[in-house]
Amino acid sequence: AQTVTQSQPEMSVQEAETVTLSCTYDTSESDYYLFWYKQPPSRQMILVIRQEAYKQQNATENRFSVNFQKAAKSFSLKISDSQLGDAAMYFCAYRRGETSGSRLTFGEGTQLTVNP
Amino acid sequence: DAEITQSPRHKITETGRQVTLACHQTWNHNNMFWYRQDLGHGLRLIHYSYGVQDTNKGEVSDGYSVSRSNTEDLPLTLESAASSQTSVYFCASSYGSGTQYFGPGTRLTVL
Repeated sequence: AQTVTQSQPEMSVQEAETVTLSCTYDTSESDYYLFWYKQPPSRQMILVIRQEAYKQQNATENRFSVNFQKAAKSFSLKISDSQLGDAAMYFCAYRRGETSGSRLTFGEGTQLTVNP
Repeated sequence: DAEITQSPRHKITETGRQVTLACHQTWNHNNMFWYRQDLGHGLRLIHYSYGVQDTNKGEVSDGYSVSRSNTEDLPLTLESAASSQTSVYFCASSYGSGTQYFGPGTRLTVL
């Protein structure tokens, strides 16, 4: 079974600084997807970024980027120029690459605080 | 605009009662999922469906059931609510291998 581990229950960063959230996963599959979701206090789950395992290039979305290390099974999220609105719970998630669309396996989450 | 909705948003019930949480999506997605969120566990999969009349158990399915009679809806039923089922419940949907989109969540309290 696939597992996803986020070893940092809490992180904090100063506004305008950069922070990196860690995620490791375990799988025997070669085709899969990795995601970072953001959950603000409203509880809404918001997709931040997505990475296909077959792509060597790290995904980026504006201030958000990932460091995908397939051999190490590591998938960290870097937030640059942190803003107060980035404060949220962040979840790393894994999905197998089935064509029918499979379920997500989530990590335990990292609570990010942004200090003004 | 297409969306995914859940109702009710908050529910308080008593141990032993049957409870049904509704999930409705207007994207015409074939895949629908139910997760529960508990502190220290992230989101865990309860049940999922890949199409009408298709349902499958997830990792924490005991005490829950679902049915898929149309594309838009996947109601989650707690047959006999237990205090251990106090949680926040999320419904999600996706099309094929696409991204999953989540509903706003339902906070359920079982007294």
